[in-house]
Amino acid sequence: EIVMTQSPATLSVSPGERATLSCRASQSVSSNLAWYQQKPGQAPRLLIYDASTRATGVPARFSGSGSGTEFTLTISSLQSEDFAVYYCQQYNNWPLTFGGGTKVEIK
Amino acid sequence: EVQLMESGGGLIQPGGSLRLSCAASEFAVSSNYMSWVRQAPGRGLEWVSVIFGDVSTYYADSVKGRFTISRDNSKNTLYLQMNSLRVEDTAVYYCAREVGRYSPFDYWGQGTLVTVSS
Repeated sequence: EIVMTQSPATLSVSPGERATLSCRASQSVSSNLAWYQQKPGQAPRLLIYDASTRATGVPARFSGSGSGTEFTLTISSLQSEDFAVYYCQQYNNWPLTFGGGTKVEIK
Repeated sequence: EVQLMESGGGLIQPGGSLRLSCAASEFAVSSNYMSWVRQAPGRGLEWVSVIFGDVSTYYADSVKGRFTISRDNSKNTLYLQMNSLRVEDTAVYYCAREVGRYSPFDYWGQGTLVTVSS
């Protein structure tokens, strides 16, 4: 099983600031990596797939990078609606696995 | 508009059984990879099972031998039969769609809560 490790667990950021979230895979997942946003009481929402492609309707302030084992999600200028939990997920191997999540909170 | 709607959750005693359903609209479950993903209260996301193709299925080790994924193409509905339920199976269960083998989950249902407790 591929273990996905996200850091930090919690990120305190002021509105308008930049947020950088990390995700590491225990072995290469190529570019088969997605990022999801989840708000309380809601289902996850796909933000980024194939490591760097924004999903339909996702604002340009969200960007993804990386390949192999190291990945980054960057939110260039945090808006109020961006405070949420973010998960990375690899879909290169079964079982599909998620990271433990990064909570982005208001500083 | 693509929609997924889960149902069938509830309170069940340890050792009991429950069947979850996920009704899909505006696409065919038979033409996609369909998964169940769960989330224990206050915890992260855990993939449970997938079904694709004719009847290919895969399961997480934590549910193998206890859960069975299936679909009814005529009803365009995905199912998860859960037997021998344990307290640690308590979670919100989501159904989610992947368009192919190397694809993310692009659509999710709203989830249904399963509580296993005596």
